[in-house]
Amino acid sequence: DAGITQSPRHKVTETGTPVTLRCHQTENHRYMYWYRQDPGHGLRLIHYSYGVKDTDKGEVSDGYSVSRSKTEDFLLTLESATSSQTSVYFCAISEWDREAFFGQGTRLTVV
Amino acid sequence: DQQVKQNSPSLSVQEGRISILNCDYTNSMFDYFLWYKKYPAEGPTFLISISSIKDKNEDGRFTVFLNKSAKHLSLHIVPSQPGDSAVYFCAASAGSSSSNTGKLIFGQGTTLQVKP
Repeated sequence: DAGITQSPRHKVTETGTPVTLRCHQTENHRYMYWYRQDPGHGLRLIHYSYGVKDTDKGEVSDGYSVSRSKTEDFLLTLESATSSQTSVYFCAISEWDREAFFGQGTRLTVV
Repeated sequence: DQQVKQNSPSLSVQEGRISILNCDYTNSMFDYFLWYKKYPAEGPTFLISISSIKDKNEDGRFTVFLNKSAKHLSLHIVPSQPGDSAVYFCAASAGSSSSNTGKLIFGQGTTLQVKP
C-alpha cells in the first residue's frame, strides 16, 4: 500500500467551528488531492496540489482552503463547518498526476 | 457540469458471467482514463487505465475499452467473481504541462453485485 495517512479518521464537530484534516505521505509524490465522497455524486475534487505551496481549486472548493508547506503534508481546512460539509473525505497522491493512490478516508460529521 | 458520467448506479450479474460497466465523458481534452474499485469503509484502489492513444487495455480479467469518437469507455470483467462486488468509479485526466497538473475527475460510481 502507498504510504498515505489521513488524520483524524473520524470527527464530529459543531456548525461554525473550524476543522483541519491532515494528509501525510511517505512516498515523496509530487501531486496531492482532496476529494469528498457523497451518495449520488461519486468523488468530487475539492483542491489539489502540484508542488509545495502550489495549489489549485477543484470542482467543489467553496468553503474549503488548503495548504502544503512540505512535500509530505497536505492540509484541508473548513474555516466554518456547515452541515453540507458532512461527508467522507479522501486524500490521494500521485507521481505523474496519473494513477492516484488513496488514503483510507476521514468521516466528518457536522452537527 | 458533470464531465464524467456513469449513468448506471447499479449492476447485478451472475458469477462467471461478464460484467460491463460504462462511462461517458464530455471534455475532449481528457487523454487518460482510469477505473477504480472501492469497498465500503476503504479508500478507492486503482484497477486499470488507458491512454487516449489506445482503444483497449487488458489486465487479467479486466479489460478497458475506449471509444474516443463517442467519448465513451467501458470496463469488462470476465469472468465475474463475488469478490468483485464493489463500487466502481471511472476517472479522467486532461494530462499535464509545466503549468497544469491534470486534474483527476471522477464519475458518480456504479455499484456492482456479483451473485454466487
